[in-house]
Amino acid sequence: DGGITQSPKYLFRKEGQNVTLSCEQNLNHDAMYWYRQDPGQGLRLIYYSQIVNDFQKGDIAEGYSVSREKKESFPLTVTSAQKNPTAFYLCASSPSAGLNEKLFFGSGTQLSVL
Amino acid sequence: EDQVTQSPEALRLQEGESSSLNCSYTVSGLRGLFWYRQDPGKGPEFLFTLYSAGEEKEKERLKATLTKKESFLHITAPKPEDSATYLCAVQAGGATNKLIFGTGTLLAVQP
Repeated sequence: DGGITQSPKYLFRKEGQNVTLSCEQNLNHDAMYWYRQDPGQGLRLIYYSQIVNDFQKGDIAEGYSVSREKKESFPLTVTSAQKNPTAFYLCASSPSAGLNEKLFFGSGTQLSVL
Repeated sequence: EDQVTQSPEALRLQEGESSSLNCSYTVSGLRGLFWYRQDPGKGPEFLFTLYSAGEEKEKERLKATLTKKESFLHITAPKPEDSATYLCAVQAGGATNKLIFGTGTLLAVQP
């Protein structure tokens, strides 16, 4: 089945630790996105990538890093510089980054701080 | 500042009791308005895209409408399986697919 796979489902981070969230898609989509979801807030864009080896900061990129070495993969690293990392992280893709492309979302990763 | 506001925050309906969810927006040049459904612990699932005032789209018990200032998601004779959070998002002027999301409406349909 085509889709987006995020792993792990749950992740715990210790203070000062970097953690990496995985996102893989087999939809052959060019564009991929990372969103953060907090209770009572709308989804906020962290980073997006329109094509392999290229990515742009979203609205809340500080404390996060990404890479896009393969079309299928867009991992997100939550660094120790992100002081409030507890949230539900969603990866998404679309055929392109053009206007009005609908997003296909993964099932999310819940990150918590120990 | 571009903004999307959804109301109510939460809505409880009896099975078969029709109602509407609201999404009001202030954006500089609306390019498209999206509705998504999100089940607990899952990612959002696409429902509709609306592009211009007066447009309507339907899917089973759901119908989405759009005016120049807001969109409504009408739910006719809901069933318990319609229980979810419904998210609205808009794409404002710009060259890329960046969306502004509302905070969602949590719908609970009781049998």
